[in-house]
Formats: sequence, structure tokens, C-alpha cells
Amino acid sequence: GQQVMQIPQYQHVQEGEDFTTYCNSSTTLSNIQWYKQRPGGHPVFLIQLVKSGEVKKQKRLTFQFGEAKKNSSLHITATQTTDVGTYFCAGSGYKLSFGAGTTVTVRA
Amino acid sequence: DAGVIQSPRHEVTEMGQEVTLRCKPISGHDYLFWYRQTMMRGLELLIYFNNNVPIDDSGMPEDRFSAKMPNASFSTLKIQPSEPRDSAVYFCASSRVGYEQYFGPGTRLTVT
Repeated sequence: GQQVMQIPQYQHVQEGEDFTTYCNSSTTLSNIQWYKQRPGGHPVFLIQLVKSGEVKKQKRLTFQFGEAKKNSSLHITATQTTDVGTYFCAGSGYKLSFGAGTTVTVRA
Repeated sequence: DAGVIQSPRHEVTEMGQEVTLRCKPISGHDYLFWYRQTMMRGLELLIYFNNNVPIDDSGMPEDRFSAKMPNASFSTLKIQPSEPRDSAVYFCASSRVGYEQYFGPGTRLTVT
């Protein structure tokens, strides 16, 4: 069945630095969604990518969908303490599947 | 809209007891999802409904778990009998077809 893998599982970042989290699927995805969950909170939708090679930006966040529609990445520039949380990708092939998430902590 | 509403927010129960979690989706959304989140297993999709009909329940861990959606504005997830390993945060989410999911605040279940 469809599996979505995310790496790294944990990301410890110095405030002001950049980082990237990656999402890989074993099958081709019709689209991919990214969510953020703050500690103690619930997942909140960030963005959806649909087209092969698509790139979308939200302020300091850049999302990319691979050409083969099997992988995606989230790049955050100039990390801030407000970026703390767990970032999930969710692949929508024949069945929606969430990755394990990348938990981000920020050192001030 | 008030968003997805879940109740109770916290539930503590003893092993063997029946537990019922409730969810009110966002009006107009035709998909409803139940998830379970634990540190060990992450966010797991248990079951989802489309227009009140269960579409895929392959994530339901065992027969002790059951879910219903009697109408478009209400769904329940029942565990009977509950076990300590069922302790987790249970999320309900709703969406329109092809669109993002809106998650409720979750129910934190503790089974002692």
C-alpha cells in the first residue's frame, strides 16, 4: 500500500538558520498536502501541491512537488521560534496517508 | 463557522469500559475522518466517511473499535471494551472533496 516517509524525524535548528524537510512516497501521488501541528495542538493545513514540479511559497516557507510526483520538500528560511512544531506531509494517492512528521525545535 | 467540534476534550476511563467520542464536522463538508495519534505510531487514519457512508475502515485496529455517521453533522467513534493501549489523542477532521482537511481539537483518551 501507499506509504509516505518523512525525513528527518527531528530537526534542531538555530534561530535564523534555514532547514529542509523531505517527504517521499512509494507510489505516485495525485497531490500532496502539508500540515503543521504546534505542541499540544492539532494539525493545521498549510498548502496543497497538485502539479508536477510545482513550487509554492508562503513567506519564509517554500514547498516543492517533485517532477515524478513521488516526493516533496518544505524549506524554511531564517527560522523563527514561531516555526516550532511538527510538520506533516500527507499524500493523496488512492488513500490519504500522513508521514510521521518532522518535529522542529529552535534554539534562540 | 465554529470549525470541527469534538467532545469530550479529555476522557479518563478504566480498562473494560465503553468510550464514545463525538464529532461535529464543518457544515457542507462531505468527508469525515477519524485519526489516532500516539508517540509510537504517529498519526494514523482509522476510518473515513463520504456523505455519511464509511468508505475505508482498514485502519480500525480491531473489532473493539466502531464508528458511525448517522447524519451529515454528527459522527461517533466507540471503543468497547477499552484497553490501556487505546490511550491516545483522537482527532476528527472534515473536508470537501479534493480540499484540505480541517482538524478538530482532539480528544485525549487515557485508559487506566
